[in-house]
Amino acid sequence: TQLLKQSPQFLSIQEGENLTVYCNSSSVFSSLQWYRQEPGEGPVLLVTVVTGGEVKKLKRLTFQFGDARKDSSLHITAAQPGDTGLYLCAGFPGSARQLTFGSGTQLTVLP
Amino acid sequence: DADVTQTPRNRITKTGKRIMLECSQTKGHDRMYWYRQDPGLGLRLIYYSFDVKDINKGEISDGYSVSRQAQAKFSLSLESAIPNQTALYFCATSDSGTGGVLEGYTFGSGTRLTVV
Repeated sequence: TQLLKQSPQFLSIQEGENLTVYCNSSSVFSSLQWYRQEPGEGPVLLVTVVTGGEVKKLKRLTFQFGDARKDSSLHITAAQPGDTGLYLCAGFPGSARQLTFGSGTQLTVLP
Repeated sequence: DADVTQTPRNRITKTGKRIMLECSQTKGHDRMYWYRQDPGLGLRLIYYSFDVKDINKGEISDGYSVSRQAQAKFSLSLESAIPNQTALYFCATSDSGTGGVLEGYTFGSGTRLTVV
């Protein structure tokens, strides 16, 4: 059973479009992290959100942590081909000491 | 050199063979992890170690074993490989101070294992 559910699983868009990726759970998380993974490489941390309702911006990427700390979203404005990759959310459910990952969203931005 | 180095990068092995995947890190982190990645399933935790003498099973440990030879080295073994262990395997590290809560995990580049 996947504790963190990501949607959509696949997303293919044209350069310049906006998109939102979702990460949802029925469990409360003390914090959530977003990673991006490129082919042949391991995931690389983009951001950590720790406070319910928190919004963080990283250039054209906006991350939001839900008020109840059960969900998060990643919004990309004016997507570029360099944004192509697998986006993974991850978190520490409850008092867990190890990271649990979502199933991932494979994003393809076409030029 | 990479902070987390995994060897080999690619490996094809036959059913029933024993195989070891190795991981070494230069981050100075106490905590190390082995994850498995399958399409559509994200990363699932196999084993984790919070120090040399502390090793714990993760979500999917059956069929795997690990050895923490030193703070910097953590190896994963498949005693008798089977085809459904074909996957991408990642080693990761985190700092023991915050457990990776804020700064996240540092991953290696992965080992692509195929069992035929």
